[in-house]
Amino acid sequence: GAGVSQSPRYKVAKRGQDVALRCDPISGHVSLFWYQQALGQGPEFLTYFQNEAQLDKSGLPSDRFFAERPEGSVSTLKIQRTQQEDSAVYLCASSLERYNEQFFGPGTRLTVL
Amino acid sequence: AQSVTQLDSQVPVFEEAPVELRCNYSSSVSVYLFWYVQYPNQGLQLLLKYLSGSTLVKGINGFEAEFNKSQTSFHLRKPSVHISDTAEYFCAVSVSNRDDKIIFGKGTRLHILP
Repeated sequence: GAGVSQSPRYKVAKRGQDVALRCDPISGHVSLFWYQQALGQGPEFLTYFQNEAQLDKSGLPSDRFFAERPEGSVSTLKIQRTQQEDSAVYLCASSLERYNEQFFGPGTRLTVL
Repeated sequence: AQSVTQLDSQVPVFEEAPVELRCNYSSSVSVYLFWYVQYPNQGLQLLLKYLSGSTLVKGINGFEAEFNKSQTSFHLRKPSVHISDTAEYFCAVSVSNRDDKIIFGKGTRLHILP
């Protein structure tokens, strides 16, 4: 079956631009996670949804970062007024229930010039 | 708070030789432990996980790991590596029965030499 998909796979933005990154989780998966992976580092947690409820956003680095999952399936991570330090791979993961295995998408590589 | 330390950023090993990738974690509560693999330009794939029970965990592609609570370690091993094992390997933890987020180490790049 289809795995987690993310789009776009690559995004180049000029500093100050707004970007929107999309995640399509595995159908039926309740939990959805966003992680940020800087070059040469491990992924770092950003935020977590259970269905449409955002239960944890403690990892969002600033108020320029915003995530939503309005219908409990597709999620969008929005970054406003992008900065160079936002350059990273943004990973999305989904799981069937809490505490289950998280399945990761291929990521979106964001480059801010 | 939980943390994960992968001491080796790169590990070179000859093909068909054994390999051990080291992982130590820190937590004041019980944890789940994971090893993920990331092949070039691909997403993270779960190799194996320890939730409870037997401390020796077997995963995909011939990998295994042993949970050692007293040493707070979860080292990954493979008796004979193949060129296709070239990838980045991440050790990770999450708090048992409560937290959902996964805390990752910085990764170890496994470089297979011909």
